[in-house]
Amino acid sequence: DAGITQSPRYKITETGRQVTLMCHQTWSHSYMFWYRQDLGHGLRLIYYSAAADITDKGEVPDGYVVSRSKTENFPLTLESATRSQTSVYFCASSGGRGTSTDTQYFGPGTRLTVL
Amino acid sequence: QKEVEQNSGPLSVPEGAIASLNCTYSDRGSQSFFWYRQYSGKSPELIMFIYSNGDKEDGRFTAQLNKASQYVSLLIRDSQPSDSATYLCAVLNTGGFKTIFGAGTRLFVKA
Repeated sequence: DAGITQSPRYKITETGRQVTLMCHQTWSHSYMFWYRQDLGHGLRLIYYSAAADITDKGEVPDGYVVSRSKTENFPLTLESATRSQTSVYFCASSGGRGTSTDTQYFGPGTRLTVL
Repeated sequence: QKEVEQNSGPLSVPEGAIASLNCTYSDRGSQSFFWYRQYSGKSPELIMFIYSNGDKEDGRFTAQLNKASQYVSLLIRDSQPSDSATYLCAVLNTGGFKTIFGAGTRLFVKA
């Protein structure tokens, strides 16, 4: 199906474990983003990517790693999960710079709980 | 000071009234401004974007931008219970690479 998907939708893990959240989009959008959403903080940018093999840090990158070997995929890895990383994670994509292409389209989110 | 500020609400309006949601931003060079709606447990979805000073209307929604005052607003006319959601203001920064989101305003429309 066309669109942007995330997996898993729900994940429970333990402190210290490595976790990878997947994001896949079928629009061939250049830009992809990872956000976390916590009560009182709104959406905070973790990492973004302007194209395959081009990534950059956002507002809260510590403890996270990303890669983008293919345009359509943008996985987010928590190298050693901590309780403070319990959150809802949203992946988004956009066509890139310019007027209407700045619009971001969001995936359904992944609810991550770190015990 | 947060880069994008919104009143967290909740804002409660009766059905049929006008809901007014406000947002201020700190990056004076910002060029692109967005309003997203997020229902509880769902992902954000775009309602409107605005780039030029003034008003932009789309159905029951009007976005207003005042760059001199660094102020963006969203008016919802004839509010419906289905408009009850959290509304996120978002600003594309000067460099054009990062979109900064406000924490959102919760809107309740009472039937």
